[in-house]
Amino acid sequence: GAGVSQSPSNKVTEKGKDVELRCDPISGHTALYWYRQSLGQGLEFLIYFQGNSAPDKSGLPSDRFSAERTGGSVSTLTIQRTQQEDSAVYLCASSRDRGDEQYFGPGTRLTVT
Amino acid sequence: KQEVTQIPAALSVPEGENLVLNCSFTDSAIYNLQWFRQDPGKGLTSLLLIQSSQREQTSGRLNASLDKSSGRSTLYIAASQPGDSATYLCAVGGGNQGGKLIFGQGTELSVKP
Repeated sequence: GAGVSQSPSNKVTEKGKDVELRCDPISGHTALYWYRQSLGQGLEFLIYFQGNSAPDKSGLPSDRFSAERTGGSVSTLTIQRTQQEDSAVYLCASSRDRGDEQYFGPGTRLTVT
Repeated sequence: KQEVTQIPAALSVPEGENLVLNCSFTDSAIYNLQWFRQDPGKGLTSLLLIQSSQREQTSGRLNASLDKSSGRSTLYIAASQPGDSATYLCAVGGGNQGGKLIFGQGTELSVKP
């Protein structure tokens, strides 16, 4: 079946603008994760959703970052007032349930100028 | 705080060699451990998932072992091929319910024809 998809694949934005990144998980997967990959920090966890439970937001770097998951499926990661240090590849993953194998999407490359 | 270390950072081998990639973690209270490969400019491809109760998992030419008590995992690649060239990432799922993954910095593998 279809894998995890993300859009857009690339996003260039000006410092101070808001951006929204979208993730479509594998159908039927109850858990959805956001990670960020940057040259200096490697791959780091941001937030994850599990069914109807409150999301684990422990990895969000600041209150400019937020995410929601509507209807237990699609998720949107929003970054407000973007800064140059937000430039990175944002990766989404999903798994059948918490603790199961995670499958990653191709990522969104965000460049803040 | 869980820390994941991968050694070596880079490895270059001739085609046909068997090789071992190492991963260590500081907190042995893990839920599972997952190995990924990442090709340049691409997302992550899951290779193997080992649950904390397991000692090893095999898929084709790949074998991953887990020694939770010593905080170590190895990924063994048999009869390496140029197509195996990629960055290999180790990630641990923590706590008693899994969820977010903590990643190592990766091992960049180059297999020369």
